[in-house]
Amino acid sequence: SQQGEEDPQALSIQEGENATMNCSYKTSINNLQWYRQNSGRGLVHLILIRSNEREKHSGRLRVTLDTSKKSSSLLITASRAADTASYFCATDSQGAQKLVFGQGTRLTINP
Amino acid sequence: GAVVSQHPSWVICKSGTSVKIECRSLDFQATTMFWYRQFPKQSLMLMATSNEGSKATYEQGVEKDKFLINHASLTLSTLTVTSAHPEDSSFYICSAGTRIETQYFGPGTRLLVL
Repeated sequence: SQQGEEDPQALSIQEGENATMNCSYKTSINNLQWYRQNSGRGLVHLILIRSNEREKHSGRLRVTLDTSKKSSSLLITASRAADTASYFCATDSQGAQKLVFGQGTRLTINP
Repeated sequence: GAVVSQHPSWVICKSGTSVKIECRSLDFQATTMFWYRQFPKQSLMLMATSNEGSKATYEQGVEKDKFLINHASLTLSTLTVTSAHPEDSSFYICSAGTRIETQYFGPGTRLLVL
């Protein structure tokens, strides 16, 4: 399966700053999701955005989706040390019945 | 929320042995479960789709005779890594859900083959 691209691959910022991660994908999708993974652990679902939605908020998270560019962004505002993790986008492509994950962004929040 | 468990959480084995990893949905039934492999600092790669009552569907490049999948019931899928070799050392993660867009991930199993 062809995975999407995420950038940056790694991001290091100071606590309190905003963090933005981007995801691009290749096929038409039903929806796109963002997950967080702490080191050596399973995945935690953060937010789902459907193909007919352009923006979605959940607490300090803001997700945008541009289906014409096949891209999405995840913004974490007022970052905290506990936000340190890897973040992955995953797409549910039309007709595929499976999730395809992006390469991921390793986010480090420095106290 | 829904919970998916995996057992064992980590395993160390000698090269040539077989290792079985269990994935259980604890409070819901799942006709489909997914198995992923994740190498250090990389993303999740789908290995196969486990279907209750039928054969698993493997992704291109995944050897079905090496990675045996059995979906024995609506709450249990097992992945057996046969004749494991050091290159099979990885983090194996399963997911389950009633719909593809609603997947719950297990905590993962770390396999180290010596």
